[in-house]
Amino acid sequence: NAGVTQTPKFQVLKTGQSMTLQCAQDMNHNSMYWYRQDPGMGLRLIYYSASEGTTDKGEVPNGYNVSRLNKREFSLRLESAAPSQTSVYFCASSIQGKGEQFFGPGTRLTVL
Amino acid sequence: SQELEQSPQSLIVQEGKNLTINCTSSKTLYGLYWYKQKYGEGLIFLMMLQKGGEEKSHEKITAKLDEKKQQSSLHITASQPSHAGIYLCGADKPGYQKVTFGIGTKLQVIP
Repeated sequence: NAGVTQTPKFQVLKTGQSMTLQCAQDMNHNSMYWYRQDPGMGLRLIYYSASEGTTDKGEVPNGYNVSRLNKREFSLRLESAAPSQTSVYFCASSIQGKGEQFFGPGTRLTVL
Repeated sequence: SQELEQSPQSLIVQEGKNLTINCTSSKTLYGLYWYKQKYGEGLIFLMMLQKGGEEKSHEKITAKLDEKKQQSSLHITASQPSHAGIYLCGADKPGYQKVTFGIGTKLQVIP
């Protein structure tokens, strides 16, 4: 099993550009999450999807949109990237929103 | 919202030494999770504690939950270079789907 996969691994954008970060899991998990990790700020939840067809805001949702395409896939979109969105983005999944979360390898995004 | 404070923020130890990392919550702890992150990689689940006084071990890593102190401690015995990384604690509460994470403790083990 691949677990949680994320694409791309690295990305450089110019301010104002848009992009979508892709995440997929093959563990038949119901819940999926998007986090960003910044030095001194720790891991912060952007959006999550408790189950297929539902999405909810986390701690820092401004500037992002998400789509739970199906049970396997959960994408994160930046409509107009800003330098403040330079970060490492992690996708995670869990069976039912509690307990162990499985993390992807991360996407390192730089916005110039 | 629940805040988790980890101490120390960074730690450098010689191989073979024991060490302890603490995670203190500003609110009542229900579920407490420990994760490890190798530099430049995603987080790996270590263990989950749910009851006061609960203690779990994973190889040479032991974690305890002290409900009264709203604190969890992670103890590594006879540290090895493979223990190096960032250790993060996370907490949730009943009825919520989300886990709040601490900033993490960076551990370096010198051979």
